[in-house]
Amino acid sequence: SAVISQKPSRDICQRGTSLTIQCQVDSQVTMMFWYRQQPGQSLTLIATANQGSEATYESGFVIDKFPISRPNLTFSTLTVSNMSPEDSSIYLCSVEVEGMYEQYFGPGTRLTVT
Amino acid sequence: KNQVEQSPQSLIILEGKNCTLQCNYTVSPFSNLRWYKQDTGRGPVSLTIMTFSENTKSNGRYTATLDADTKQSSLHITASQLSDSASYICVVSAGGYNKLIFGAGTRLAVHP
Repeated sequence: SAVISQKPSRDICQRGTSLTIQCQVDSQVTMMFWYRQQPGQSLTLIATANQGSEATYESGFVIDKFPISRPNLTFSTLTVSNMSPEDSSIYLCSVEVEGMYEQYFGPGTRLTVT
Repeated sequence: KNQVEQSPQSLIILEGKNCTLQCNYTVSPFSNLRWYKQDTGRGPVSLTIMTFSENTKSNGRYTATLDADTKQSSLHITASQLSDSASYICVVSAGGYNKLIFGAGTRLAVHP
């Protein structure tokens, strides 16, 4: 299994500012992912954080808006840039344990943009 | 189009009662089907994972079934507890990490 922590757990931010969310895993993992969960909806994959290279973004998400860093096999950050109220969501970090179907999720960061 | 539909959207039951949540999917190719429990303010936690050849899997009071022919799955909760109050999400994998199709979830409330 994998234990994942995220910081901050929640934040209230003003329109136009940026927030960086940190994700820390207790073991080395190859695959790390960032998801968004908008109010009342299910999870949507934003991007895959690749160690040592640029993140791979899903359709509808771009690097300028959601820059991602992955400096090593246990840590990643997601920045939500130039925020608007539409960015109010829960942002979740997830990892996949190699060789298993299992995906483990962090506790999420609840972001409110005013 | 790959889709996962869950029913009901929400459900209220009394503590100690049983309930069954439904998941219908149209996902191809099919790799596996997962049920997650998501408590309010928390990330999803895996309950069961089933591949094509498995038609039932249990995890304590949770039992998931899979009918690959009709593309239906159910999650049965026995002797519900207050701590079962959560959203239950059905996720189907079409193979690969970025091929997870998430259902909208069923929000279960267990009342004393």
